[in-house]
Amino acid sequence: EAQVTQNPRYLITVTGKKLTVTCSQNMNHEYMSWYRQDPGLGLRQIYYSMNVEVTDKGDVPEGYKVSRKEKRNFPLILESPSPNQTSLYFCASRLGQFEQYFGPGTRLTVT
Amino acid sequence: AQKVTQAQTEISVVEKEDVTLDCVYETRDTTYYLFWYKQPPSGELVFLIRRNSFDEQNEISGRYSWNFQKSTSSFNFTITASQVVDSAVYFCALTTYSGGYNKLIFGAGTRLAVHP
Repeated sequence: EAQVTQNPRYLITVTGKKLTVTCSQNMNHEYMSWYRQDPGLGLRQIYYSMNVEVTDKGDVPEGYKVSRKEKRNFPLILESPSPNQTSLYFCASRLGQFEQYFGPGTRLTVT
Repeated sequence: AQKVTQAQTEISVVEKEDVTLDCVYETRDTTYYLFWYKQPPSGELVFLIRRNSFDEQNEISGRYSWNFQKSTSSFNFTITASQVVDSAVYFCALTTYSGGYNKLIFGAGTRLAVHP
C-alpha cells in the first residue's frame, strides 16, 4: 500500500530535550516536505527536500533541522524543543507537481 | 504575495442541507494548482481535488462539486445533501509554478459541523 508513515504519532517532551520525528514514504517520490498545523493558521511549511541531500527552508524553519540521506526517509529534528513548537506535524511526499500525500500526523507537546 | 483565504472559520448545518465552503486565493503566477483537503476528526489529511489554473471547468464528484472562477480568484467547494460524515475541517491550498510547486500554501481551514 502506498503510504507516508510518521513516528511517533504522539509525543510529550520537556523543553530542551532533543527529539526526532521520522518520516518514510514507499512511493519513490523525490519530493518530501514537513508542515506544522496550528489553530487558525492552517498548515505552514517547515522544510522541504527535492531529492537526496537537497533540502531547503520553508516558511517557518527556525528551531528545526532536517536531513535527506535516503530517498524514502526525511526526519525532522528538534535540537532544543521549546513550548512554541507544540503543534501537529505532517510529513508529505509528492510526485512531480501533483498532489502531496500526507502522513498521519505527529502531535507534539513540549512542556 | 501568495495567499489563500478561507473566511468562514466554522459552519454548522443540519443533515441534508447544502453547504458551500469559500476559498479565495492570491497569486501573480498564471500557472498554479489549487487543492482541497479534508481533515476528519481522526486528524489525517485526505486529498479531495486538484485543479490547474488553465482548467476552469467545474467538477462534480458525487455530492461534492467545485466552482473555479479565475475572474474572482475563487475556488469554492459545495457539498450537496450534507451528511454527518462530512463533519471535518476543510483546507484549500495553492501551489505555484514560480515556486517550483515546492510549497503548498494553505488557508486557515473551515470547520464544518453537520448535525443529525
